[in-house]
Amino acid sequence: GEDVEQSLFLSVREGDSSVINCTYTDSSSTYLYWYKQEPGAGLQLLTYIFSNMDMKQDQRLTVLLNKKDKHLSLRIADTQTGDSAIYFCAESAGGYQKVTFGTGTKLQVIP
Amino acid sequence: DTAVSQTPKYLVTQMGNDKSIKCEQNLGHDTMYWYKQDSKKFLKIMFSYNNKELIINETVPNRFSPKSPDKAHLNLHINSLELGDSAVYFCASSQASVETQYFGPGTRLLVL
Repeated sequence: GEDVEQSLFLSVREGDSSVINCTYTDSSSTYLYWYKQEPGAGLQLLTYIFSNMDMKQDQRLTVLLNKKDKHLSLRIADTQTGDSAIYFCAESAGGYQKVTFGTGTKLQVIP
Repeated sequence: DTAVSQTPKYLVTQMGNDKSIKCEQNLGHDTMYWYKQDSKKFLKIMFSYNNKELIINETVPNRFSPKSPDKAHLNLHINSLELGDSAVYFCASSQASVETQYFGPGTRLLVL
């Protein structure tokens, strides 16, 4: 079955860049997503990338996809304390959009 | 203007009880989902409905029964609650032609 893995924890200083990594196993993944979950809240879609793209940039967020290695990363430039949250990588191979989520990376931003 | 709403937000109940969680979306989407997030924050899909028809049914005990009275609603009924059912349950919705899911705020279920 599908498997999506992430490191559990990342700590950065305010103003630095954060890079959250994710690996997946399903080679038929069509869409790859990054979701953000703040404490006590639901999941908020940050950005997504189609599998035929290598990179997508959206303001402070940059998503890189290495399809050969099945590796996805999310870079947050100029990280702020408000970026502290759990970040979930997710993938979908289509077919009524069954989405498989990673284990989540807790990002801690130190002032 | 809540897009995806769930009720109740918190639910504390005794083992063995039967409870329901309701979900409604006002986005006009045709697909709705239930996810379970455990204490380690691991998020796993339980069910998916497209136009009121069950599409995805992961390995979930048959004590869990989803019901979709119409496209805008997907309720989750749980019979004979067990301690291991304690988790946060998220509802989500999407439009089949667009690969983006919108999540509700979650229902925090605690079984004592």
